[in-house]
Amino acid sequence: DAGITQSPRHKVTETGTPVTLRCHQTENHRYMYWYRQDPGHGLRLIHYSYGVKDTDKGEVSDGYSVSRSKTEDFLLTLESATSSQTSVYFCAISDQAEQFFGPGTRLTVL
Amino acid sequence: KNQVEQSPQSLIILEGKNCTLQCNYTVSPFSNLRWYKQDTGRGPVSLTIMTFSENTKSNGRYTATLDADTKQSSLHITASQLSDSASYICVVSKTNAGKSTFGDGTTLTVKP
Repeated sequence: DAGITQSPRHKVTETGTPVTLRCHQTENHRYMYWYRQDPGHGLRLIHYSYGVKDTDKGEVSDGYSVSRSKTEDFLLTLESATSSQTSVYFCAISDQAEQFFGPGTRLTVL
Repeated sequence: KNQVEQSPQSLIILEGKNCTLQCNYTVSPFSNLRWYKQDTGRGPVSLTIMTFSENTKSNGRYTATLDADTKQSSLHITASQLSDSASYICVVSKTNAGKSTFGDGTTLTVKP
């Protein structure tokens, strides 16, 4: 998986609780992304980062925040999880044109 | 409306047969078009990437074509194998490393 790890790989949580997902890369790529994938939808961009402390919103950013304090780590936080945020979350990194994806995190919000 | 439309939504073929998947897009300006393979429960893996000036790119039994004038791409799989069963996703980018638009994917099932 191109030197990308995601943790945790599976998580079950309750509505209203905060959740943080971690993406870690060993490739030293500048760009990092968080996507969610749901049945009937293509991968949808939540947030992305173009450098340390430089982030921007994607098309489905409401309810999510991100942080990137180091090149290798990109954190996605659900401030107060809702059932609509039950999904599979993928992190990706980019070396300009090509994107490489992590293994995914399956999140269930009860 | 999704700017990247893939067809068919799903496809079933017999092992050893060829198949072609389609991708039509309206994303503009265009930087590159990528095809990914996603196995169940795994992240997408890149098959091919083509820029505006390229009209074909091969990766083993996978051949992608691009017609930038008509904004169409296809992915041709030759001599299919059971391991080709997966979702195939077309992705179009406006700028290198910028935001990309993903198609909903074509689910391919190869049967023995």
